[in-house]
Amino acid sequence: GAVVSQHPSWVICKSGTSVKIECRSLDFQATTMFWYRQFPKQSLMLMATSNEGSKATYEQGVEKDKFLINHASLTLSTLTVTSAHPEDSSFYICSARDRRGTGRHGYTFGSGTRLTVV
Amino acid sequence: DAKTTQPPSMDCAEGRAANLPCNHSTISGNEYVYWYRQIHSQGPQYIIHGLKNNETNEMASLIITEDRKSSTLILPHATLRDTAVYYCIVRVDNYGQNFVFGPGTRLSVLP
Repeated sequence: GAVVSQHPSWVICKSGTSVKIECRSLDFQATTMFWYRQFPKQSLMLMATSNEGSKATYEQGVEKDKFLINHASLTLSTLTVTSAHPEDSSFYICSARDRRGTGRHGYTFGSGTRLTVV
Repeated sequence: DAKTTQPPSMDCAEGRAANLPCNHSTISGNEYVYWYRQIHSQGPQYIIHGLKNNETNEMASLIITEDRKSSTLILPHATLRDTAVYYCIVRVDNYGQNFVFGPGTRLSVLP
C-alpha cells in the first residue's frame, strides 16, 4: 500500500515552454502533498506544500507564479513549471501521506521527474 | 526539526553489515528518528523509524541510544543494491509537516 505515482518520469522541453508534472496517490487520499526539488549532487529541498482545495504554501525563494501547484482532488496534485529556463532543470519529487494517519508515520515519495530544459 | 549529523560517505563490503551512524543531540522528546534512502535518480524510500526503542523490520534495524542523542541504522547483510544515499531525519509525527533532508551518507557497497 501507500503508492505515489509521479508522471512523467523524465521530460525534455524547450526554453520558454511550460511543463506539467502529476503526482497521484494510488491507494489512499492525501489532503497534503509536498513538492521537492533536487539539483545534482545536492539534497532534496522543499519547494511548496500542496493543500487540497486551497492555495499552496511556497518556501522562501520559490516563485509561486512560476511553479503553479494545483491540488484539485484528494489523490492528485500537479506542478506546472511555466516559462521554463535551463536553470529550472532539476529532479522534482512529490510526497504524500494517507490523510487517515495510518501507515508508518512518514510520507511516501514519488519516483521523481527529471526535467531538462534546453 | 532537530538537526542531524551524518558522515558524508561510507564503504561496506558486500555481505557484511553496514552500520550508519547519526547524531541528533538536540532531539526533542516527541521527535521520531526516521531513515530514508535514495537510490540514484529515484525518490526517497522509507526504511524504518523509531521513537526510543530499538526497531527491526525486513530491511534494517534501528538502534537508538538511551539518551536518544544518536542512532545507528544497521543493514545486516549489505548487497550491491543497497548502494544509495541514506538520510537520517528527526521530526514530530505531524501530518502537515514536511521532511527536512540533510546531505545524508552516501553508502557504497563494494563487491
